[in-house]
Amino acid sequence: AQSVTQPDIHITVSEGASLELRCNYSYGATPYLFWYVQSPGQGLQLLLKYFSGDTLVQGIKGFEAEFKRSQSSFNLRKPSVHWSDAAEYFCAVGAEGAQKLVFGQGTRLTINP
Amino acid sequence: DAGITQSPRHKVTETGTPVTLRCHQTENHRYMYWYRQDPGHGLRLIHYSYGVKDTDKGEVSDGYSVSRSKTEDFLLTLESATSSQTSVYFCAISAFPRDRTDTQYFGPGTRLTVL
Repeated sequence: AQSVTQPDIHITVSEGASLELRCNYSYGATPYLFWYVQSPGQGLQLLLKYFSGDTLVQGIKGFEAEFKRSQSSFNLRKPSVHWSDAAEYFCAVGAEGAQKLVFGQGTRLTINP
Repeated sequence: DAGITQSPRHKVTETGTPVTLRCHQTENHRYMYWYRQDPGHGLRLIHYSYGVKDTDKGEVSDGYSVSRSKTEDFLLTLESATSSQTSVYFCAISAFPRDRTDTQYFGPGTRLTVL
């Protein structure tokens, strides 16, 4: 069965600084990997996904993520954060034929002005 | 944005009363899901549906039932609400198997408080 770990519950960065949110997964075969963002009081919005091919994936809002099979990781990055990036971020893993996603516990991002 | 609505958006009820939450989609997707979101737990799958009248349990299905009589509607029922079911409930849809990655798109959520 798949599992996902987001080691950081809460991260604070300054506006304009770079960001990296960590995600580690457990799955025996090639997974499908997702990052979602949730603004306060809102639903989850898909930022990006990986399912095959290029291991560096570009998403919306200037985010990117890199799939590293050797480290079982799919970390989310942004070179320069904006105050509007303050939100909760969820990593999720799926598998071929599973028809289910497993979500991490989420990382809450706070932006200092 | 995917065409998903949830109703009601907020509900306060009392312990022991039945509650039904509705998810409506306009995408004609086959798969629909109900999750609950609680602090420290992320999202946990309650039930999902893979077609009209076809449903299956998720990891936290106890105390919940679902029904899907039409492609566009997926209902979640708490037969006798308990305080432990106070949560935010999200519906999601996916275009699986047309999209074999099972990318899921989420509704705006329903905040349920059981007193």
